Amino acid sequence: NAGVTQTPKFQVLKTGQSMTLQCAQDMNHEYMSWYRQDPGMGLRLIHYSVGAGITDQGEVPNGYNVSRSTTEDFPLRLLSAAPSQTSVYFCASSHRDQEDTQYFGPGTRLTVL
Amino acid sequence: AQKVTQAQTEISVVEKEDVTLDCVYETRDTTYYLFWYKQPPSGELVFLIRRNSFDEQNEISGRYSWNFQKSTSSFNFTITASQVVDSAVYFCALSERGSGAGSYQLTFGKGTKLSVIP
Repeated sequence: NAGVTQTPKFQVLKTGQSMTLQCAQDMNHEYMSWYRQDPGMGLRLIHYSVGAGITDQGEVPNGYNVSRSTTEDFPLRLLSAAPSQTSVYFCASSHRDQEDTQYFGPGTRLTVL
Repeated sequence: AQKVTQAQTEISVVEKEDVTLDCVYETRDTTYYLFWYKQPPSGELVFLIRRNSFDEQNEISGRYSWNFQKSTSSFNFTITASQVVDSAVYFCALSERGSGAGSYQLTFGKGTKLSVIP
């Protein structure tokens, strides 16, 4: 198993550009989440999904869109990037039988100029 | 509301010293889970331990040990005989059930940066 994979690993955007951060897992986990990590802030939840076709907002959802068309994939979209979205983004997944335990991807470091 | 406090922002120790990382949490739930994650300089998050609210037994894994005390809402992490490879940011996290399935969401502390000096 590859576990949770994220692409790209690094990305630089200009203000106003759009992009999609990819997240995939091959563990057949029902639940997936996106977090952002900022210096001195720990990780904060952006959006999460409990299954294909079902998503919900977390603590800091503004400026981000998500969709879940398959169990394996959970992309995070930035429609119009802003410097405040410069951060490290982590995707995580968990199985419904142990939904409290999340497995994290390696992260994507995003810089918005 | 959940809250996790890691009061120590940065700690420096000399190699082979013992070090304890503090974690205090707040929750109204009786069922919850506590975690510790390690984030080395390479940036990935490494799962260290999961503890549920009904199991107050302390745990030891090699040089790592965890002290869970519900009476003080603390879940402290001790590294014995620290090594340079232990240098990392350590996060404590709390998870409690929300309103429905899949609603276990982690609330992280702000992390403690541990530097082990050779």
